[in-house]
Amino acid sequence: DVKVTQSSRYLVKRTGEKVFLECVQDMDHENMFWYRQDPGLGLRLIYFSYDVKMKEKGDIPEGYSVSREKKERFSLILESASTNQTSMYLCASSTGAPTELFFGEGSRLTVL
Amino acid sequence: GQNIDQPTEMTATEGAIVQINCTYQTSGFNGLFWYQQHAGEAPTFLSYNVLDGLEEKGRFSSFLSRSKGYSYLLLKELQMKDSASYLCAFSGSNDYKLSFGAGTTVTVRA
Repeated sequence: DVKVTQSSRYLVKRTGEKVFLECVQDMDHENMFWYRQDPGLGLRLIYFSYDVKMKEKGDIPEGYSVSREKKERFSLILESASTNQTSMYLCASSTGAPTELFFGEGSRLTVL
Repeated sequence: GQNIDQPTEMTATEGAIVQINCTYQTSGFNGLFWYQQHAGEAPTFLSYNVLDGLEEKGRFSSFLSRSKGYSYLLLKELQMKDSASYLCAFSGSNDYKLSFGAGTTVTVRA
């Protein structure tokens, strides 16, 4: 079975803290994505990567950065968390384009 | 730019049929996807259309008209477990990312 694993299901952080969200896939997929999901807004793309050490900005990259040092791992970094970054964060992977995305279980982040 | 619209909520009775419409605007097109997402869970893939017409997969069917920028997901013989959010998404040309609609929450009543 294909699997995308996100390191934390629930996190609570304080404003200004640095936050790392980790995502690992075991399918040898080239492409990896970070989305955030908010009620009424759907899934919005933050960053994506189509190769190791490559990254592309999505629709809402401000306040975020990413790292992809290994093919299977894609990390989302909030350098200084703010309350408007409270959200559900979903990692996904895919092979080639266009093709279905495989999603992780999500990480629900609350910033106080 | 890119835009995608679908209704916010729909309610139907167990055993009935529900059709979820999705319209999109994009400068390039490379496929239309439907995902199902139960509350608190990750989205799971339901269907993919790249050519015009109807794709049937068991109780679920998806239709695409590229000239009209229109798709629908048809859920037949509704079951209580079909209560979920249904996400419409498209892939623009020459990229790997999917753009999602806000989702349609379907509630199935007994």
